[in-house]
Amino acid sequence: AQSVAQPEDQVNVAEGNPLTVKCTYSVSGNPYLFWYVQYPNRGLQFLLKYITGDNLVKGSYGFEAEFNKSQTSFHLKKPSALVSDSALYFCAVVPGGSYIPTFGRGTSLIVHP
Amino acid sequence: DGGITQSPKYLFRKEGQNVTLSCEQNLNHDAMYWYRQDPGQGLRLIYYSQIVNDFQKGDIAEGYSVSREKKESFPLTVTSAQKNPTAFYLCASSIVFASGAYNEQFFGPGTRLTVL
Repeated sequence: AQSVAQPEDQVNVAEGNPLTVKCTYSVSGNPYLFWYVQYPNRGLQFLLKYITGDNLVKGSYGFEAEFNKSQTSFHLKKPSALVSDSALYFCAVVPGGSYIPTFGRGTSLIVHP
Repeated sequence: DGGITQSPKYLFRKEGQNVTLSCEQNLNHDAMYWYRQDPGQGLRLIYYSQIVNDFQKGDIAEGYSVSREKKESFPLTVTSAQKNPTAFYLCASSIVFASGAYNEQFFGPGTRLTVL
């Protein structure tokens, strides 16, 4: 069975500084990997995905993520954080051939002015 | 505009009542999903459906029921058998490719259910 770990419940960063939200996964075969963002009392919004190809994936709002197969990680990054990036971030993994994602528990990102 | 709608936004239920949460999508997606979100627990899958008239239980299906009579609609009923139904409920949909490849999910705005 697949699993996703987001080891930090909360990440704090100052506006303008780079941010990283960590995600590691366990799955058999080649995975599809996703990041979603959730603002308070809203549904999740898709940010970016890794299916195959280049290990560095660029997504919405200046976010990017790097797929590292040897470390089974898919960390979310942004070079310069904005206060408006403050939200709950979810990593998800889907095994190849499946259409059922497994989500991490979420990481609350707080960007301080 | 294409998207997923959920109604109502807020729902209050008395003990022993069944309530139905609506989920409609006009994205022409085959797969639809229901999740429950509790603080600090991420998203837990209740039910999912890949095609009309077919659905499968997820990780926490007990006390819930669904139907999929139309491609666009996937209502969730929270029955009186669900012991702790107070939560935020999210509906999602996604494309299912014939190749088996998976694409991202689109989520509705959610329904917050409170048991009085």
